Amino acid sequence: AQSVTQLGSHVSVSEGALVLLRCNYSSSVPPYLFWYVQYPNQGLQLLLKYTTGATLVKGINGFEAEFKKSETSFHLTKPSAHMSDAAEYFCAVRYSGGSNYKLTFGKGTLLTVNP
Amino acid sequence: GAGVSQSPSNKVTEKGKDVELRCDPISGHTALYWYRQSLGQGLEFLIYFQGNSAPDKSGLPSDRFSAERTGGSVSTLTIQRTQQEDSAVYLCASSFRTSGTRYEQYFGPGTRLTVT
Repeated sequence: AQSVTQLGSHVSVSEGALVLLRCNYSSSVPPYLFWYVQYPNQGLQLLLKYTTGATLVKGINGFEAEFKKSETSFHLTKPSAHMSDAAEYFCAVRYSGGSNYKLTFGKGTLLTVNP
Repeated sequence: GAGVSQSPSNKVTEKGKDVELRCDPISGHTALYWYRQSLGQGLEFLIYFQGNSAPDKSGLPSDRFSAERTGGSVSTLTIQRTQQEDSAVYLCASSFRTSGTRYEQYFGPGTRLTVT
């Protein structure tokens, strides 16, 4: 079955440090890829997406992600963490094929930013 | 413009009661989705609407769950005879279309359902 794996359910960084959240997908055909952020008691907000073209995509709040087909990865990074980045982050994929309208999500990574 | 809205934001109900959850998608979005977010299962797809029809109901956990969409807009998710395992956050999303580059899904704030 196709799946999305987020390595690390909880990542803790210091303010100003690099943020790296990992996402790997399983698919023989590159899917469309998304990162969403969820703040406490809120819905999901789209951070960025990869469909086709440039493999390095930039999103809101200074985040970016790079699609690496050879590694089936779409890791999310931010050079310098801010306290306001503390939230849960979800990687999601949209696979080609019959059910290509729905998103398949990873389990999420909770990001904690320490002062 | 206005985003996806959901009501109620919180719902506490007794086991065995029926509940209705409402979703108002972004105006002009033809596709609407329901997902469930629970501690044990993460984010799960429930059902998808294209216009008023639901081509895929495969994610509905049991026949106690049903959903409809009227006028190509508002959708209602109904859970009959609620069980404690139905406790979760129910998220609604909409998208302009389901193909091409304008299919990204925009999510509402969710309805937190607690079954006691």
